[in-house]
Amino acid sequence: DADVTQTPRNRITKTGKRIMLECSQTKGHDRMYWYRQDPGLGLRLIYYSFDVKDINKGEISDGYSVSRQAQAKFSLSLESAIPNQTALYFCATSDAGEQTQYFGPGTRLLVL
Amino acid sequence: GESVGLHLPTLSVQEGDNSIINCAYSNSASDYFIWYKQESGKGPQFIIDIRSNMDKRQGQRVTVLLNKTVKHLSLQIAATQPGDSAVYFCAESSSGYELNFGKGTSLLVTP
Repeated sequence: DADVTQTPRNRITKTGKRIMLECSQTKGHDRMYWYRQDPGLGLRLIYYSFDVKDINKGEISDGYSVSRQAQAKFSLSLESAIPNQTALYFCATSDAGEQTQYFGPGTRLLVL
Repeated sequence: GESVGLHLPTLSVQEGDNSIINCAYSNSASDYFIWYKQESGKGPQFIIDIRSNMDKRQGQRVTVLLNKTVKHLSLQIAATQPGDSAVYFCAESSSGYELNFGKGTSLLVTP
């Protein structure tokens, strides 16, 4: 969905490096989410935010941190990347009170 | 958390046939269900959703059926086209916001 954009689309980094993945949306949604997708697995929730002042851990938050800089921006950081964080990362948004989530195109991350 | 699973990891159908993708869930408190389509290199795309107070909902060429008695959800695609080839995910929610995803079914449409 072009209303949700993610940068970069692909990233290769080395073990121990700090990296940031960014998500922006023009849908005007209050809620934003970060998911991780591994081959053969469904999407797993890392963090979610209901508004700028609200940040919540998801199922697999260890090793990750987030920042909600504005209603439209939600970034995911890996403080010290490790190889098992190699995955596809998706940002999603939803309107307050709605359960339908709309996803960005994803970031493919490789940690060497 | 509660599990959301799919009966078949892959499904191959001929162009023009109808496709049925199944999903089982175990959380009796689930009240919202959604199907996504994910094409290679893209993010999941919303197809259709249904709330637990319904047992059927139709969209354009797609129908979702919900059987709460046996905790089963299915996605039917009519007159399957090559562009329907993708991975399909079901997800459920009981929290009002958090979606729990299944592992996905790969649909391959053959000429």
